[in-house]
Amino acid sequence: AQSVTQLGSHVSVSEGALVLLRCNYSSSVPPYLFWYVQYPNQGLQLLLKYTSAATLVKGINGFEAEFKKSETSFHLTKPSAHMSDAAEYFCAVSESGGTSYGKLTFGQGTILTVHP
Amino acid sequence: KAGVTQTPRYLIKTRGQQVTLSCSPISGHRSVSWYQQTPGQGLQFLFEYFSETQRNKGNFPGRFSGRQFSNSRSEMNVSTLELGDSALYLCASSRDRGTYNEQFFGPGTRLTVL
Repeated sequence: AQSVTQLGSHVSVSEGALVLLRCNYSSSVPPYLFWYVQYPNQGLQLLLKYTSAATLVKGINGFEAEFKKSETSFHLTKPSAHMSDAAEYFCAVSESGGTSYGKLTFGQGTILTVHP
Repeated sequence: KAGVTQTPRYLIKTRGQQVTLSCSPISGHRSVSWYQQTPGQGLQFLFEYFSETQRNKGNFPGRFSGRQFSNSRSEMNVSTLELGDSALYLCASSRDRGTYNEQFFGPGTRLTVL
């Protein structure tokens, strides 16, 4: 069975500071990992995905994430926060094959607040 | 290319009623998945449809059902509504049931049960 843990339900940073959102996963097979962002009253927007091609993944809006198998982690970072980054962020895992097709398992989400 | 669309965006129902939500996937996408989002339980997988067949199902009671049409559009139905069914229902589409399952989400339908 697959699962995702996001450490910290709320993260607050100052504008221009480093953003670090933590995600750890559990999977019985090599996982596919995703980060999504959700703005108020909207659906989820894909930020980036890990599909085993490269461990450092670059996404939209200056975000990137590094897959670390030894730590079962897929933390999301951005060097310099912008006010427009304030939103809720979700880490998700998918397993290939069998009964896992079509199913993403999400973490509980991290609300990012950016202070001026 | 148009994104995933969901209708209606907002719904208010009373306990015991039933409701049908609609989802139109991105053109060319054949897989549609549904999720329920609540403050307490977060995002939970309901089911996935591909080629008009339910292929995968989450841990929800039988009151939750769905279907997919030949044009890949999907509907989900909730019968005998309960207060706890109040949630944001999200639909997501994928091109197929291939490897890494990249899903594109619609804006959701906000269901309120009174």
